[in-house]
Amino acid sequence: EAGVVQSPRYKIIEKKQPVAFWCNPISGHNTLYWYLQNLGQGPELLIRYENEEAVDDSQLPKDRFSAERLKGVDSTLKIQPAELGDSAVYLCASSLGTSFTDTQYFGPGTRLTVL
Amino acid sequence: AQSVTQLDSQVPVFEEAPVELRCNYSSSVSVYLFWYVQYPNQGLQLLLKYLSGSTLVKGINGFEAEFNKSQTSFHLRKPSVHISDTAEYFCAVRLETSGSRLTFGEGTQLTVNP
Repeated sequence: EAGVVQSPRYKIIEKKQPVAFWCNPISGHNTLYWYLQNLGQGPELLIRYENEEAVDDSQLPKDRFSAERLKGVDSTLKIQPAELGDSAVYLCASSLGTSFTDTQYFGPGTRLTVL
Repeated sequence: AQSVTQLDSQVPVFEEAPVELRCNYSSSVSVYLFWYVQYPNQGLQLLLKYLSGSTLVKGINGFEAEFNKSQTSFHLRKPSVHISDTAEYFCAVRLETSGSRLTFGEGTQLTVNP
């Protein structure tokens, strides 16, 4: 069974440019997460979707970040405009649901470098 | 608010030696506890989790962890490490009341030397 797929794996852009990351969760997983991982730190939740609905986006900087999950499957995270401080790894994860027994499975991440 | 503290940012050990990676948490409500491993340029992989029941939890790759409620700890152990265990290890906590949000520690880099 395929795991969580993310693309691109690496992205280098100049500041003030827009950028988008794509995530395809494990088939059948209703819950999807986007995490931000700064260098030398643990991941921090940006947003959580249950099907198409964003149910926890309190950590998402809404002035420049946006996300969508059309049809409750794939998801896109966008930054516009990017700033130097956005350089980090963006991780996508998915789980069957939100029960405490449901494991979160992580993708390989997209490493963003903003110049 | 809950927090997770990984007491060692780096742990160097020799191959076949035992290792313990320390994790403490703070929370006023019941928690579920996890250890994830991250190999270079890869995503996080679940090693083991404590949900309830026995406080000694066994995971993949020979790792185990013990939940100690009185000391609010969840230390990860392996009796004999291999070169291939070199990776970043993250402890995470999920509150019983916080939905499925995971709060991660800052990670411990385990380096196994020959």
